[in-house]
Amino acid sequence: DAGVIQSPRHEVTEMGQEVTLRCKPISGHNSLFWYRQTMMRGLELLIYFNNNVPIDDSGMPEDRFSAKMPNASFSTLKIQPSEPRDSAVYFCASSVRQGAYEQYFGPGTRLTVT
Amino acid sequence: EDKVVQSPLSLVVHEGDTVTLNCSYEVTNFRSLLWYKQEKKAPTFLFMLTSSGIEKKSGRLSSILDKKELFSILNITATQTGDSAVYLCAVLNDYKLSFGAGTTVTVRA
Repeated sequence: DAGVIQSPRHEVTEMGQEVTLRCKPISGHNSLFWYRQTMMRGLELLIYFNNNVPIDDSGMPEDRFSAKMPNASFSTLKIQPSEPRDSAVYFCASSVRQGAYEQYFGPGTRLTVT
Repeated sequence: EDKVVQSPLSLVVHEGDTVTLNCSYEVTNFRSLLWYKQEKKAPTFLFMLTSSGIEKKSGRLSSILDKKELFSILNITATQTGDSAVYLCAVLNDYKLSFGAGTTVTVRA
């Protein structure tokens, strides 16, 4: 299995630009998670989908952030407009289903907003 | 608010030493506790613990959970330089993983 796939791996953009991060979960996994990792705050859950439906988006920092999951094999996280404080590593993770199942992480997207 | 506290924050050991990492937690609707290893990239899954007192082992790594005292330990025996990484403890409620800040382990040759 290819594991969780994320693209791009690195993104450098200027403040005010739109950024779109993409994720393909492990085939057959029904739960998908977007996390953000920074030195200051560690790993934080941004949003969680179960069966393509957003269940908990309470971790999304503000309205500039949005996420979609149009089908079981694809999700996007969009930041519009981006700000320097959005600079972080964004991870996508998936698990078989909701509940006591391990989550497998993708390689992450390192975002730098200048 | 869910809380996961790891200690120590960092440690330096020499090859062959044994290390013990600690994780305490306060979380509603506890389902399981997970340990991950992170080496400059994505966290990789090590263990998931759901029941108290049952040790899980994988090679030189082992872990155990105490649900009464709300903590877990991760042991690494006969450490190698390849064990150098950040070890993350996370607690799972119904679906959400809450992570600790991690313990940075540096193994010197």
